[in-house]
Amino acid sequence: GAGVSQSPSNKVTEKGKDVELRCDPISGHTALYWYRQRLGQGLEFLIYFQGNSAPDKSGLPSDRFSAERTGESVSTLTIQRTQQEDSAVYLCASSWDRGRGGYTFGSGTRLTVV
Amino acid sequence: GNSVTQMEGPVTLSEEAFLTINCTYTATGYPSLFWYVQYPGEGLQLLLKATKADDKGSNKGFEATYRKETTSFHLEKGSVQVSDSAVYFCALTPNTGNQFYFGTGTSLTVIP
Repeated sequence: GAGVSQSPSNKVTEKGKDVELRCDPISGHTALYWYRQRLGQGLEFLIYFQGNSAPDKSGLPSDRFSAERTGESVSTLTIQRTQQEDSAVYLCASSWDRGRGGYTFGSGTRLTVV
Repeated sequence: GNSVTQMEGPVTLSEEAFLTINCTYTATGYPSLFWYVQYPGEGLQLLLKATKADDKGSNKGFEATYRKETTSFHLEKGSVQVSDSAVYFCALTPNTGNQFYFGTGTSLTVIP
């Protein structure tokens, strides 16, 4: 597509439930990032995929968080047993290179855990 | 390590005022530097970038110069408009490694 597409745009879930967030990057973009943006704060790195290389998972805050990406296609971020502190906007970005030209961001998924 | 420190907001300016948002960085090697903008209710958009020392990135009247000697990448605009109201993020990506480092963002409100 023309841009990075994320779904759902908004998600309200009950504490303890699992959620799955989807990112559809720009076609041909080999690099894909997930970031988290809590209200009034900066962006927190979560995970990075580059082509078929092993992902950089160093930013995942706990083992409740996981992400997958098949090749250079769609990525899903899964949060198990959600907690209230997981409430944030989850942003996905993709790039055709390692990011030195800049990334294109999706509009994000606003997750609210009640 | 790598990090970005940017001026804390919020910043409120009158229309046509001069804008400076300071950004300094710490990085190994020679990073690429970026400014991203997030308009209300929208995702982040790349505003401008610079990939080497002394490069000047510019877009929509905004400018920033990559200053290696002061490790800075300050964002400037000569005459702001109400439509520039947004949150501005300074960011870097090192020439090695995977991560993209963002500042905490500076909220700008321009009043008529």
